[in-house]
Amino acid sequence: QSVLTQPPSVSGAPGQRVTISCTGSSTNIGAGYDVQWYRQLPGTAPKLLIFDSVHRPPGVPGRFSGSKSGISASLAITGLQAEDEADYYCHSSDSSLTVVFGGGTKLTVL
Amino acid sequence: QVQLVQSGAEVKEPGASVKISCKASGYMFMDYAIHWVRQAPGQRPEWMGWINRGNDNKKYSQKFQGRFTISRDTSANTVYMELSGLMSEDTAVYYCARVLTGSDGCDFWGQGTRVTVSS
Repeated sequence: QSVLTQPPSVSGAPGQRVTISCTGSSTNIGAGYDVQWYRQLPGTAPKLLIFDSVHRPPGVPGRFSGSKSGISASLAITGLQAEDEADYYCHSSDSSLTVVFGGGTKLTVL
Repeated sequence: QVQLVQSGAEVKEPGASVKISCKASGYMFMDYAIHWVRQAPGQRPEWMGWINRGNDNKKYSQKFQGRFTISRDTSANTVYMELSGLMSEDTAVYYCARVLTGSDGCDFWGQGTRVTVSS
């Protein structure tokens, strides 16, 4: 069982907005630890989309945004494109396990 | 440009050890920490440990304590991980990843090394 809980799947049509949630606890997100978001295509390494809960690395489009409140964080993707179809993982620190990943969310572009 | 290049795929028998290298280029090697993360087929990434920037401080996941070691060769800009007492459950792709300074985000990743444990 993942310490960070994500919905197994989300879907949306091209051009739409989707959000992916990441729910933790008082020992990780609720303790103030920041959240990272990654996108992973089959057979490739994860790619950083959001760090420190809200910041985008250079080269990541503004269509991707992150937020955090309480014990949860969210990744929002606007203007959905076919290339966004992938697995998405959240990542944070935890006072008991040190570094944890969410269970992953498969995004399907309809 | 920043690159992390890992060593090639490995096939090991149960009980053996595996050592994977991660060669960095395109940046000041000692200015960034390195995480090791593995991912079993169809599973979420799993953090194994990290080596800090600028010094030799390391932290390991309790799950792998005692059989997992990270080392670094600054003359070769290379970080290594070694996992001993391999079991079938250790079959996975192993990644090294550079850690953003002041953050936990991993901005560059190696290409991954597939380790298969089978008799």
